[in-house]
Amino acid sequence: EVQLVESGGGLVQPGGSLRLSCAASGFTFSSYEMNWVRQAPGKGLEWVSYISSSGSTIYYADSVKGRFTISRDNAKNSLYLQMNSLRAEDTAVYYCARDILGLAYDYWGQGTLVTVSS
Amino acid sequence: SSELTQDPAVSVALGQTVRITCQGDSLRSYYASWYQQKPGQAPVLVIYGKNNRPSGIPDRFSGSSSGNTASLTITGAQAEDEADYYCNSRDSSGNHQGVFGGGTKLTVL
Repeated sequence: EVQLVESGGGLVQPGGSLRLSCAASGFTFSSYEMNWVRQAPGKGLEWVSYISSSGSTIYYADSVKGRFTISRDNAKNSLYLQMNSLRAEDTAVYYCARDILGLAYDYWGQGTLVTVSS
Repeated sequence: SSELTQDPAVSVALGQTVRITCQGDSLRSYYASWYQQKPGQAPVLVIYGKNNRPSGIPDRFSGSSSGNTASLTITGAQAEDEADYYCNSRDSSGNHQGVFGGGTKLTVL
């Protein structure tokens, strides 16, 4: 059974940092591209970042470029999102999602809530 | 970047057919995928590619595309289909940069 489990969310002050993790199981993690998608409270979905299966290709949404860093450790079956210089508008549930050939996100984690507030 | 536009809300009578649309320039080049999200839950993929349903998705869900518009059709809507629906596609650059529509709230009457 494919499982994605996010962790690392919490309350952080504006300007602070947080590192999210996504533990993958039930599939060959190293063969799949991965993404982070977020959802602000009461709002729609927003794609945040993409990483290729090897980690060699990375993309970011303009809203997080220069502040967030996506990475992965295929030996640990884990995906990460380092978030720096956090702003109130980064408050959201953050989901990791498996990518199928750029066509869709077929499995999602349950999400982890990040709250940026003083 | 590019944008995908969805109607904010749509309603359908129980057992009837409803179409949810998504418009955007990137859809001329790339297929849309569709996600169902119920309150407090993670999104679930319901349609992707030309018209593919993941395992476990009922066959009342189907997808189509024409020009800059992608559509999700639910034939014989059920009460459990009441949810938010989001379309997604690649950015017009094609570089795995995703973009979501604003979402459509489906009410089953």
